[in-house]
Amino acid sequence: EIVLTQSPGTLSLSPGERATLTCRASQSVSSGYFAWYQQKPGQAPRLLIYDASNRATGIPDRFSGSGSGTDFTLTISRLEPEDFAVYYCQQYGSSPLTFGGGTKVESK
Amino acid sequence: QVQLQESGPGLVRPSETLSLICSVSGGSINHYYWSWIRQPPGKGLEWIGHIYYTGSTNYNPSLKSRVTISVDTSENQFSLRLTSVTAADTAVYYCARGFSTSWSFRFDYWGQGTLVTVSS
Repeated sequence: EIVLTQSPGTLSLSPGERATLTCRASQSVSSGYFAWYQQKPGQAPRLLIYDASNRATGIPDRFSGSGSGTDFTLTISRLEPEDFAVYYCQQYGSSPLTFGGGTKVESK
Repeated sequence: QVQLQESGPGLVRPSETLSLICSVSGGSINHYYWSWIRQPPGKGLEWIGHIYYTGSTNYNPSLKSRVTISVDTSENQFSLRLTSVTAADTAVYYCARGFSTSWSFRFDYWGQGTLVTVSS
């Protein structure tokens, strides 16, 4: 099983600041099988980034994804109030499909 | 716009079977993977398994002995059965559509989730 480790666990930032979230895989993951999701309290996760670097439909361009192999990054260039949420990475390069433990982006 | 809606009992007794249905509207169930994912209160996401519209399944080994996912293409819905439940199975259960190609996979549509509590 591929274990995804997200860091930091919590990120305390102010609106307008840049957020950098990382996800490290225990084994190499093909980029096409790597995605990022955003989850707000009481809501289902929402697809942000697929294929490691492609924004999903309707996702603002302040969100970007990068990385390959075992190291992936989600960057939010300038935080908006609605971006404070929990972010999860996900892989399906090999079964079982796994999620990272999440990074909470909170308002400082 | 594709929409998914989970339905089923919100309370299940320990040792009994949890059963949920996910109804898909606004699109066909054909040519996609259909997953169940759960989230214990205050915790992260766990993939339970999925079914392809043809009926082919893949389960998380951690739950495989207790899980059955089935699909009804005529009703545009799929279902989850989890047997011998314990308090550890208390979670919000989500259904989701898996979009897959030969080089890519992601969940592009999710249901709103349904809380299932295991308690006597």
